[in-house]
Amino acid sequence: QVQLVESGGGFVKPGGSLRLSCAASGFMFSDHYMSWIRQAPGKGLEWVSSIITSGDTIYYADSVKGRFTISRDNAMNSLYLQMNSLRTEDTAVYYCATEGGSSSPFDNWGQGTLVTVSS
Amino acid sequence: SYVLTQPPSVSVAPASTATISCGGDNIGSNSVHWYQQKPGQAPVLVISFDNDRPSGIPERFSGFNSGNTATLTITRVEAGDEADYYCQVWNTRGVFGGGTKLTVL
Repeated sequence: QVQLVESGGGFVKPGGSLRLSCAASGFMFSDHYMSWIRQAPGKGLEWVSSIITSGDTIYYADSVKGRFTISRDNAMNSLYLQMNSLRTEDTAVYYCATEGGSSSPFDNWGQGTLVTVSS
Repeated sequence: SYVLTQPPSVSVAPASTATISCGGDNIGSNSVHWYQQKPGQAPVLVISFDNDRPSGIPERFSGFNSGNTATLTITRVEAGDEADYYCQVWNTRGVFGGGTKLTVL
């Protein structure tokens, strides 16, 4: 069955960096668009970034553009999110999720990893 | 930027029908997806492409999308349906509604 396992979350000071990873198994990773979605404590869902199968096309939310970088390694069945210049408002649980393609839903989600940005 | 508007909360009695709305400018021209999220858990897709149910989702869940409003309808509501529900579309970027907390009285 599809399994997505996020890691790399933790506590970081404002201005710091973190790299999140998402290990995928149980499906053909290279055939799926992948995304990161986050949820601040007690708040709703916020789409962060998406990457197509080849990695050639990438999309970012305005709130993270220029600070976050999404990437993937199809040989390693892994998705990444490099987060730089972190702000307190980036504090959230970060989920990775699969997508079927353009306009498709996020059909499988990991359990999330918590990122806390605080001084 | 595109905005999706959901009511913060909906309350219904067990065995009744719950309807959750999702408003957006000409949302009917987009495909709408719905997610259920229970406390401490990751979201789960319950409706895709306006009214498709993924495998394992009960027939009690259905969706409709037209004009400026999409709706998620849950018939014969059970205690286990109590959760937060989010609508979502793609409009140059991924967009989620603010979420609706469904309470089963």
